[in-house]
Amino acid sequence: AQTVTQSQPEMSVQEAETVTLSCTYDTSESDYYLFWYKQPPSRQMILVIRQEAYKQQNATENRFSVNFQKAAKSFSLKISDSQLGDAAMYFCAYRRGGDDKIIFGKGTRLHILP
Amino acid sequence: DTGVSQDPRHKITKRGQNVTFRCDPISEHNRLYWYRQTLGQGPEFLTYFQNEAQLEKSRLLSDRFSAERPKGSFSTLEIQRTEQGDSAMYLCASSLGGLGTGELFFGEGSRLTVL
Repeated sequence: AQTVTQSQPEMSVQEAETVTLSCTYDTSESDYYLFWYKQPPSRQMILVIRQEAYKQQNATENRFSVNFQKAAKSFSLKISDSQLGDAAMYFCAYRRGGDDKIIFGKGTRLHILP
Repeated sequence: DTGVSQDPRHKITKRGQNVTFRCDPISEHNRLYWYRQTLGQGPEFLTYFQNEAQLEKSRLLSDRFSAERPKGSFSTLEIQRTEQGDSAMYLCASSLGGLGTGELFFGEGSRLTVL
């Protein structure tokens, strides 16, 4: 069975600094997708960034980028120029190609220090 | 607002009572998902629909849980004979058909407290 592991329950970063959230996953599939979702306090979860496993190039979305290491089954999220609005729970997630459900990790709570 | 909406947002009930949650997905989305999230955990998959067909159910979904999506529009999740262990946030999400993007659009959730 596929699993997603986030080893950092909480992290803090100074405003305007850069922070990296870690994620590892376990799968025997070659076709899959990886995601980072953000869940702000008392608000709905939203997609931050997505990576297709067949793409070698790391995905980027403005201040958010990933480091996708397929052989190591690692998928970390880098947030540059951290802002107060980035404070949230961040979930790493996996979806097998051909499957419809997404499997989530336990999350990392990110605090932004002013 | 054309996002995913869930009702009620909060429900407090006594053990043994039945509760029902409703989810209205984004109108053009044909896939609808239910997840459960407990404190300090990530969302756990419960079940999903493509249009009105329930295509997969998790082992987490005991026989006290039932979900429906009549006519492929809104969905309901009913929990019968609630137990304290059912206390959680129940999240609904929807997505467009096709496996290309896989992006889920979530509602704000329905928080259940069983006393």
